[in-house]
Amino acid sequence: GAGVSQSPRYKVAKRGQDVALRCDPISGHVSLFWYQQALGQGPEFLTYFQNEAQLDKSGLPSDRFFAERPEGSVSTLKIQRTQQEDSAVYLCASSLMMVSEQFFGPGTRLTVL
Amino acid sequence: SQQGEEDPQALSIQEGENATMNCSYKTSINNLQWYRQNSGRGLVHLILIRSNEREKHSGRLRVTLDTSKKSSSLLITASRAADTASYFCATPLNQAGTALIFGKGTTLSVSS
Repeated sequence: GAGVSQSPRYKVAKRGQDVALRCDPISGHVSLFWYQQALGQGPEFLTYFQNEAQLDKSGLPSDRFFAERPEGSVSTLKIQRTQQEDSAVYLCASSLMMVSEQFFGPGTRLTVL
Repeated sequence: SQQGEEDPQALSIQEGENATMNCSYKTSINNLQWYRQNSGRGLVHLILIRSNEREKHSGRLRVTLDTSKKSSSLLITASRAADTASYFCATPLNQAGTALIFGKGTTLSVSS
């Protein structure tokens, strides 16, 4: 079946703009994760959903970041009033169970000018 | 903050040689995972080893875990050019064991 998909693959935003990044997890996967990866670094955890419940958002860097998964499937990561330091690749991952391998999407590369 | 730290940061070898990467972590864990990332396939899970396991094999991959030293190693035998990628170890963020903390990774270059 299809893997995790993300859209858009690339996004260029002017500083101050709002952006919305979409993640389609593997069908049936209960857990969904968002990570942020800066150039030359490993992914850093942002937030985690189990079905539609956001169980952990401790990694969100500021209140400008907001994530939702209203029907327990597709998730959207929204960044308000983007700043240059928000430039990174945003990765979405899903997993079948709480503690198991995570399947990653290709990521959205966000560039804030 | 990052829990795992891979060593070395970069590794260059010839095809057919073995590659060993190490990972150290700070707190007690119940499992450790290794992932590979390249531009073609993104971030891909390689292997998960639980805290009660000392060694695990998957094809040309061999992973060890030493919980007393809080370290793990990934060995790739008979490397191929296609193994060129960045390799990350990942440990659970907290006791719930759901989200992961990744290290900075080891960049492996395999030349033919």
